[in-house]
This record gives sequence, C-alpha cells and structure tokens, in this order.
Amino acid sequence: GENVEQHPSTLSVQEGDSAVIKCTYSDSASNYFPWYKQELGKRPQLIIDIRSNVGEKKDQRIAVTLNKTAKHFSLHITETQPEDSAVYFCAASGGGGSQGNLIFGKGTKLSVKP
Amino acid sequence: NAGVMQNPRHLVRRRGQEARLRCSPMKGHSHVYWYRQLPEEGLKFMVYLQKENIIDESGMPKERFSAEFPKEGPSILRIQQVVRGDSAAYFCASSPTRDITYNSPLHFGNGTRLTVT
Repeated sequence: GENVEQHPSTLSVQEGDSAVIKCTYSDSASNYFPWYKQELGKRPQLIIDIRSNVGEKKDQRIAVTLNKTAKHFSLHITETQPEDSAVYFCAASGGGGSQGNLIFGKGTKLSVKP
Repeated sequence: NAGVMQNPRHLVRRRGQEARLRCSPMKGHSHVYWYRQLPEEGLKFMVYLQKENIIDESGMPKERFSAEFPKEGPSILRIQQVVRGDSAAYFCASSPTRDITYNSPLHFGNGTRLTVT
C-alpha cells in the first residue's frame, strides 16, 4: 500500500523567513496530494492541495510543488508569521492500494519565532 | 453547513469499559472515515464506511474495535474493553464521493479525545 514520508519532523524559523516541508510517497498511482494544518487541540484543516496533472500551485503565501517522476511534493510558506505555527501534515490518495482514503505523513511541527 | 460533527469532544473511560464515539458527516456526504491520532503523532487511517457498508477496515485493530454507519443516524466507532493504549484523539472525516480528490476533499471533525484511566 501507500507510504508517505515527511521531513523534517520539527522546523523552527524566524518570522519573515520561508519554511519548506518535504514529502515522498511510494505508490505511483497516487494522484491527489493535500496539505493539512493542525493547531494544538484542534482539527486538521485543509490549506492547499494539488493533483497529479499539475506541477505547482500557489495560494497567497503558501505554495505546493509536485514532482511525479521522483514521487515527492513540498509545501512552501513564505513570509512566515507566528500564526503559521502549527503541525503540518502531507497526504496522498488515489493510489491503487489506498483508493478511497488518505494516507498521511507523520507531520512537521513548525515554530515561527517573532 | 455545520461541518463534520463529532461527540463527545472528551470521553473518559476506565479500563475495561466501552467507548462509543459518534460522527455526523457534512450534509450531503455519504462517505465517512475514521482516523486515530496518538499524542505527538500523525493521523492513522482506521476505517472507511459508506451508508450501511464497511468499505475498508484495513487500519482497524482486529479485536475490540468496530464501526458502523447505519442508514439513519451518525457513524459510530465502538471500542470494547478499553485499555490505556487506546487513549488518543479519534477524528472523523467525510467526503461526498468515494474518491478523495481535488473536487471532493476530506473534511475533518473536531475529534473525540479519549482518555482511559
């Protein structure tokens, strides 16, 4: 089945700097890659997603890139702010072995220092 | 649209008791997923259900755990004879179609935090 690896597990940046989180997946049939943000004690919330026929997508300060050949995708946050501090999860879906459910990475705890 | 509703938000059970977690999907969604999140860890898929059917329970422990999504009413995740290792946050999510895609993403509820004493 699908396996999603996420790095780093923790990331600390200064306010205003950029943050990059990377994920790899194993199932080449996966075709949908969302990113979720989870603040302490709250539910995961979808912040951006990308499908396999798109290489890059941007929404204000966040962007996601996808390299299908290498089977990896990344989240980029520019001009980070303290409210960006949270745990970020990548996920993959649509592969033959995981059709109908999302497989998540283990998360990256992002701390933005003012 | 009220979103995915889970209750209770917090549940405390003694070892050996039963825990029942409820999830009402978003309006118009007939596909429900349960995930477990241990402290400081990621989201682990447990089970995927449609109305009256279990589609994929590959992530569900073989014993003590069961799930249902009846024709009427919420989806229920049931844990019998709870042990301390069951303490976790249990999240329910729903989608309008079988395939989670760009047009039908997964929406999560606020979770039930189970504590076994």
